[in-house]
Amino acid sequence: GENVEQHPSTLSVQEGDSAVIKCTYSDSASNYFPWYKQELGKRPQLIIDIRSNVGEKKDQRIAVTLNKTAKHFSLHITETQPEDSAVYFCAASRTGGFKTIFGAGTRLFVKA
Amino acid sequence: GAGVSQSPRYKVAKRGQDVALRCDPISGHVSLFWYQQALGQGPEFLTYFQNEAQLDKSGLPSDRFFAERPEGSVSTLKIQRTQQEDSAVYLCASSLEGPETQYFGPGTRLLVL
Repeated sequence: GENVEQHPSTLSVQEGDSAVIKCTYSDSASNYFPWYKQELGKRPQLIIDIRSNVGEKKDQRIAVTLNKTAKHFSLHITETQPEDSAVYFCAASRTGGFKTIFGAGTRLFVKA
Repeated sequence: GAGVSQSPRYKVAKRGQDVALRCDPISGHVSLFWYQQALGQGPEFLTYFQNEAQLDKSGLPSDRFFAERPEGSVSTLKIQRTQQEDSAVYLCASSLEGPETQYFGPGTRLLVL
């Protein structure tokens, strides 16, 4: 079945450093890839997304890259701040489909 | 405007009890999704509605799970004869249409004793 694998499961960085989270997907028809941030006890919030017709998208300190050939995509956070500490989920879905498949999450710790 | 809301926020049920979880999507959103999130895991798709039509229920774990959205707005997820393995956070999300740009509710944390 469809699957999204996410690595690492835990990531600890020093404030100001960069953080990279990687995901691979199995369904080659997937064409929409969102990233969600979930703070403890809170709802997942969409932070950035990318569609398969572009290879990279940036929003201030956050960027996402997509390699359709290799079926993987990555989240890059630069100049990390303590408030970036949360669990980040990648996901994949496709136009005309209804399911969104989520990765297992990456717990990011940013140390001040 | 108001976001997605869910009620109750917490529910404790005895094994065998029936529960009903409510989701109020963002007004005007055609698509509504239910997910189950186990502790330390990502959300797992349960079912999808487009207006009042349930177009995909392939993620419902058993026939004890039932969802409805009779008027195309509020949705209810019902779990009959709850089991301990049903303990999880149940998340609802809505979007204008389709799987893109989903907005999540705060979830209902269900604990089955």
